[in-house]
Amino acid sequence: AQSVTQLDSHVSVSEGTPVLLRCNYSSSYSPSLFWYVQHPNKGLQLLLKYTSAATLVKGINGFEAEFKKSETSFHLTKPSAHMSDAAEYFCVVSVNTGGGNKLTFGTGTQLKVEL
Amino acid sequence: SAVISQKPSRDICQRGTSLTIQCQVDSQVTMMFWYRQQPGQSLTLIATANQGSEATYESGFVIDKFPISRPNLTFSTLTVSNMSPEDSSIYLCSVTQGSYEQYFGPGTRLTVT
Repeated sequence: AQSVTQLDSHVSVSEGTPVLLRCNYSSSYSPSLFWYVQHPNKGLQLLLKYTSAATLVKGINGFEAEFKKSETSFHLTKPSAHMSDAAEYFCVVSVNTGGGNKLTFGTGTQLKVEL
Repeated sequence: SAVISQKPSRDICQRGTSLTIQCQVDSQVTMMFWYRQQPGQSLTLIATANQGSEATYESGFVIDKFPISRPNLTFSTLTVSNMSPEDSSIYLCSVTQGSYEQYFGPGTRLTVT
């Protein structure tokens, strides 16, 4: 079984400062990991993915995440926050169980960006 | 990435009635998934729908309450049956493209009164 823990339900940063959204995972298999973003009243958008290639993954809009197996972490970072980054972020683990890739979502982190 | 549409985008329904949600993809896909996102919550997988076979339901979800059809490789429906206010949620379909990632439709926002 797999699980995801997002350590912060809410994160607030000032525009232009770094963003750190924390995620720890648990998986019996070699996981694939994702970050999705959900803007208010919008659908889910894939930010980035880790699938056992490079451990530092770059995504859209300047976001990146580093897979650390020893720490079972996949934290999302961005050097400089923008007002448009305010949204809900979900860390997701995927495991291929033979019946397809099942996604397990974290509980989400609400990012607030202030002037 | 696949372009996914859902109908309706939102609806308000009375308890005891049923609503069928449609999911259309612009390309053929093997697997489609249905999720529920309750207010202020994360997403929970309801079932996996493969074309030509019965849907596979996750623990806590049953076919009588959430019947699913998958008549071809670009279309699926989810019915929410005998609705109660607890069924008020956003319902999303998704598809797998490539090896791992899933792409999501815009969701159907359901309110049950």
